[in-house]
Amino acid sequence: SQTIHQWPATLVQPVGSPLSLECTVEGTSNPNLYWYRQAAGRGLQLLFYSVGIGQISSEVPQNLSASRPQDRQFILSSKKLLLSDSGFYLCAWSVGGRALEQETQYFGPGTRLLVL
Amino acid sequence: GQNIDQPTEMTATEGAIVQINCTYQTSGFNGLFWYQQHAGEAPTFLSYNVLDGLEEKGRFSSFLSRSKGYSYLLLKELQMKDSASYLCAVGRYSGAGSYQLTFGKGTKLSVIP
Repeated sequence: SQTIHQWPATLVQPVGSPLSLECTVEGTSNPNLYWYRQAAGRGLQLLFYSVGIGQISSEVPQNLSASRPQDRQFILSSKKLLLSDSGFYLCAWSVGGRALEQETQYFGPGTRLLVL
Repeated sequence: GQNIDQPTEMTATEGAIVQINCTYQTSGFNGLFWYQQHAGEAPTFLSYNVLDGLEEKGRFSSFLSRSKGYSYLLLKELQMKDSASYLCAVGRYSGAGSYQLTFGKGTKLSVIP
């Protein structure tokens, strides 16, 4: 069966510091990978998605970036954090394909980030 | 643009039935999903609809009317553990061919004894 991991679980960082969040998926090959942010009182916002190694698409222009150095690894980074970057960061994966069952996204446990 | 509306909060009694509505206006539609999210946790997948009608999964059912841009999630025999937020999401293929979900803000359901 497939599992998805994220770390760290929680993070408190000062404004202006760098960020690196990691997501890995086990039990599947060539998954579609997604990064979302959930801020208080707001819906899940898609930040980045990737359909393969080195292929990253950005949905919202901001000071965050993403990379996919390996098939099942997805990294979210920032060079300088802003207060507005605080939130719950969720990684998700899907098999990918034209059937809705294959497009269903499954979420990791998330990283709660607080920028002070 | 994408617009997905759900009630912010609902309260229901243990053992009862509750219906959570979702209306959407989106550019492109290819499926509607429901997720459950307990406080402080990640969303978990409940169901999806791609065609009009009712999909039943145990105590949970989801309905879709594409012509009306409307869906609902029906929870029967409510249990205290059903207290959670329920997220409605619309799926579509982007111009680049990737499949993306747009989420509503969620409905926080409180089940009371």
